[in-house]
Amino acid sequence: EPEVTQTPSHQVTQMGQEVILRCVPISNHLYFYWYRQILGQKVEFLVSFYNNEISEKSEIFDDQFSVERPDGSNFTLKIRSTKLEDSAMYFCASSAGLAGDSYEQYFGPGTRLTVT
Amino acid sequence: AQRVTQPEKLLSVFKGAPVELKCNYSYSGSPELFWYVQYSRQRLQLLLRHISRESIKGFTADLNKGETSFHLKKPFAQEEDSAMYYCALSASGTYKYIFGTGTRLKVLA
Repeated sequence: EPEVTQTPSHQVTQMGQEVILRCVPISNHLYFYWYRQILGQKVEFLVSFYNNEISEKSEIFDDQFSVERPDGSNFTLKIRSTKLEDSAMYFCASSAGLAGDSYEQYFGPGTRLTVT
Repeated sequence: AQRVTQPEKLLSVFKGAPVELKCNYSYSGSPELFWYVQYSRQRLQLLLRHISRESIKGFTADLNKGETSFHLKKPFAQEEDSAMYYCALSASGTYKYIFGTGTRLKVLA
């Protein structure tokens, strides 16, 4: 069964550095997402991406964050200048349709980002 | 504002006992509701969604619009049901899930 993959599984970075988290969504999916989960807290939506542009984003997704689909398979999340509070598990997901139309989102295993 | 509440952080039951994981939501329209499960060291995966009205691994969930609830139930818990369970809501026409804080289910032998 096809799966969403994410690399790396764990990333340690210093405050102020840029990080890029990588995801390979399921190949025939059209919608792509990033969520994050700070330790002990709920999974929070960051951004969705469809047709090569951001379709929806949360208040968390400020100018420090950007997403890109640089080729036909990868989907990346960039954090320009990391802060301590960016430490979290970041999940990538993909789907064939909208969650609001009851489509399932398929999640990757996550990248644990630790900012020191 | 849309919100999902899972009041229990941890629920412990004995094997063979019934299980009910509570989920309440706040949304003025017609929601799409989901239960996701995360077994130890595994990824989040869909357990069931209200629109399909199916039973997966013995679990069922009924949408109660009057009580704004979507509780997850299983009549006889198994040890392999031990996991983290997340209730999620999506508003019609939107892209995102709104998750609850999750309930850790521990099924004791």
